[in-house]
Amino acid sequence: QVHLVQSGAELKKPGASVKLSCKASGYTFTNHHIHWVRQAPGKSLEWMGWVNGGNGATQYSQNFQDRVTMTRDVSARTAYMELSSLRSGDTAVYFCARRGLAASSEGYYYYYLDVWGKGTTVTVSS
Amino acid sequence: DIVLTQSPDTLSLSPGERATLSCRASQRGTSTYLAWYQQKPGQAPRLLIYGASTRATGIPDRFSGSGSGTDFTLSISRLEPEDFAVYYCQLFGNSALTFGGGTKVEIK
Repeated sequence: QVHLVQSGAELKKPGASVKLSCKASGYTFTNHHIHWVRQAPGKSLEWMGWVNGGNGATQYSQNFQDRVTMTRDVSARTAYMELSSLRSGDTAVYFCARRGLAASSEGYYYYYLDVWGKGTTVTVSS
Repeated sequence: DIVLTQSPDTLSLSPGERATLSCRASQRGTSTYLAWYQQKPGQAPRLLIYGASTRATGIPDRFSGSGSGTDFTLSISRLEPEDFAVYYCQLFGNSALTFGGGTKVEIK
């Protein structure tokens, strides 16, 4: 069975950094991207970026481009997301999710986020 | 970047009724990259629909998706008690992934 297990809750002070982990099991880790999505209390979902489980390539949302780093450790089957210069507005639940893909009969691919971790709560407070 | 606007913000319905949720994109996107998710309080989102109209594994057939271009719809034919939740549409773009603001389906 496919699972993504995320690290535990974090409490950080403004200006600090946080590094979250997302451990995958039940599928070939290098075949899929891992995306990171956050959700502030009472708000919608906000995409942060992805890391390619195979070659480690990344793509980040412009909203986080200068503060986020996503990496992966293939041997540990784990993806990481580090967010720096934390502020109160970064208080949120952070989810990792696997990008699934399926081929259509017409020869193109469907993309979607098919497996999600349970989320890690990050609280930024002085 | 493409902006996804969902409507209505809240839908108040009774069990057994039909729900129709809308998702409008600010520019024409590729429907193969349009997905819908369900989220319940304290839980991660769950994939319902991908490719605008294909149900994900294990999703009941009372859920259906349609649309193309800039206008997409999620329909729930007969609401079950477990269907009361928040629903998000999402689009993979060329350089970014975007979520809509969500529609809450609540018990009337």
